[in-house]
Amino acid sequence: NAGVMQNPRHLVRRRGQEARLRCSPMKGHSHVYWYRQLPEEGLKFMVYLQKENIIDESGMPKERFSAEFPKEGPSILRIQQVVRGDSAAYFCASSPAGATYEQYFGPGTRLTVT
Amino acid sequence: KNQVEQSPQSLIILEGKNCTLQCNYTVSPFSNLRWYKQDTGRGPVSLTIMTFSENTKSNGRYTATLDADTKQSSLHITASQLSDSASYICVVSDNYGQNFVFGPGTRLSVLP
Repeated sequence: NAGVMQNPRHLVRRRGQEARLRCSPMKGHSHVYWYRQLPEEGLKFMVYLQKENIIDESGMPKERFSAEFPKEGPSILRIQQVVRGDSAAYFCASSPAGATYEQYFGPGTRLTVT
Repeated sequence: KNQVEQSPQSLIILEGKNCTLQCNYTVSPFSNLRWYKQDTGRGPVSLTIMTFSENTKSNGRYTATLDADTKQSSLHITASQLSDSASYICVVSDNYGQNFVFGPGTRLSVLP
């Protein structure tokens, strides 16, 4: 039973480019969460999605960031026109329906903006 | 404002020793509290989860306690091992577990 998968594990982008981070939840999980972790800081909630729905995006920056969880395929976190401050580790977690406290985390994607 | 504070910020102990990490929260209404272990460069892994009615829960050498009246939790690690070196994160949920507040973590270093 594969855990939460994230890819790529490492991503390097130049300022102004777009970054796409992918997250495949655990089998049977229909809820996905995205978190950002800056160096030497704690995890910060970004967005909570169910299939085809954004439930809570209160932690998402208002501009350049978007997330989706389509009916088929992985969840995507998209960052447009990246800036150096976007450099961080981005973690995805998934949980089953009805047990949102049972979050299982992926290994993370480390984004470096040069 | 819902907040989770953890102390100490960092801790260094010798292999074989015990230690206790603290978590204080102001999250309300309270739903559950979880402790995660995050190894460097890895995603967090759940250690324990406790609801309002639970005072203590163990997972091997890890024992978590919860005092819902004082809004405090502790994570006790017994007979520490080198592999316990990691960040330990306290997470508190409100609104029936749909909103999560993460603490900043305690970075534990276990030395031989």
